[in-house]
Amino acid sequence: GAVVSQHPSRVICKSGTSVKIECRSLDFQATTMFWYRQFPKQSLMLMATSNEGSKATYEQGVEKDKFLINHASLTLSTLTVTSAHPEDSSFYICSARSGAQRETQYFGPGTRLLVL
Amino acid sequence: GQNIDQPTEMTATEGAIVQINCTYQTSGFNGLFWYQQHAGEAPTFLSYNVLDGLEEKGRFSSFLSRSKGYSYLLLKELQMKDSASYLCAVSDSNYQLIWGAGTKLIIKP
Repeated sequence: GAVVSQHPSRVICKSGTSVKIECRSLDFQATTMFWYRQFPKQSLMLMATSNEGSKATYEQGVEKDKFLINHASLTLSTLTVTSAHPEDSSFYICSARSGAQRETQYFGPGTRLLVL
Repeated sequence: GQNIDQPTEMTATEGAIVQINCTYQTSGFNGLFWYQQHAGEAPTFLSYNVLDGLEEKGRFSSFLSRSKGYSYLLLKELQMKDSASYLCAVSDSNYQLIWGAGTKLIIKP
């Protein structure tokens, strides 16, 4: 199957700082990447959808100025949590989908963010 | 609205068979996925059904009935490592995944 990597795997930061999370598709070109957030014992919540070369589409209730998404190439998307607060602590997971296999999303291993 | 229903939790015995059901109502349908998610980890892809019928892959099988808006994931010869959450997701008319809340499967020796 296709491989998606995420970096860092976990990060601890102080309140008010910004954190960047990278998502890479290693063996395929990802025309679309998705960013999810998952709180403990809850299901995945889609935050935004990004298509290479265009602006991300955010889900209702997700602040686009706080969660900056860049999908500058077919293999890389980044999520920056700006001015992070303790309530932003969560498990952030990206997934990628190629144009050729439009149906299947492949998930990265996730990034656990803890904001102190 | 769009809705995916699956049981919250199921318990089964090692070596046995368990069936996890999923019913859905979505705007459009471009396939149904099953993912496995161990605690603290990201989901991993198990199966994809877009046509009616049963797809078998080793110990895991997935069934789909589009007319009934129904799918199930069948796990045979259960092993302790199968303890995980199993997520049902439907790809809608825009190829967006609509997620169920997940079924936590507990395997007992």
